[in-house]
Amino acid sequence: RKEVEQDPGPFNVPEGATVAFNCTYSNSASQSFFWYRQDCRKEPKLLMSVYSSGNEDGRFTAQLNRASQYISLLIRDSKLSDSATYLCVVPRRSSASKIIFGSGTRLSIRP
Amino acid sequence: EPEVTQTPSHQVTQMGQEVILRCVPISNHLYFYWYRQILGQKVEFLVSFYNNEISEKSEIFDDQFSVERPDGSNFTLKIRSTKLEDSAMYFCASSLGLGAGELFFGEGSRLTVL
Repeated sequence: RKEVEQDPGPFNVPEGATVAFNCTYSNSASQSFFWYRQDCRKEPKLLMSVYSSGNEDGRFTAQLNRASQYISLLIRDSKLSDSATYLCVVPRRSSASKIIFGSGTRLSIRP
Repeated sequence: EPEVTQTPSHQVTQMGQEVILRCVPISNHLYFYWYRQILGQKVEFLVSFYNNEISEKSEIFDDQFSVERPDGSNFTLKIRSTKLEDSAMYFCASSLGLGAGELFFGEGSRLTVL
């Protein structure tokens, strides 16, 4: 199993819809989880951190399921500007500064 | 808002030439990173740097690559003899602490090797 796995998508949803995608991780000892957003040809930017069961920030909700070893990102009332690639990061505890990004899930919001 | 700055934004070089990419991390951050992203592919970890030495490196970061922090502000990535497959976007990032996945990225330096 890969360290961090994401469905590459693309997810193509209409504006206003709710969309969710998951990131599975292999290291059960992981304690912190992050979602980044990357616009086309731009740098990744931190979207949300998840340290316990979940986190909510406006239209965005991140949930952690430790038993099944995945985190999810839910976007409600999606906007055209939400179109981007969403990257999952699960830092290792054993080599904490080797921070690996998932390959990302592409989201496209259509008018 | 403090930010990570990278120069140059785009560099074109001939195969076999040396390239130095420069980064100024956020001033109170302690950990520095280089990542690369080949067009259409994932963001790949190259190296992390702390306390003036390499903390971790990936298998991509071979002897052709080196990093240094020559003057306490700049953080550089050197590629000694560029290959065609080194063409990519190179992102510098910094973070405040260890183990934090909260990285702040620069806008990247696009390297094109001809």
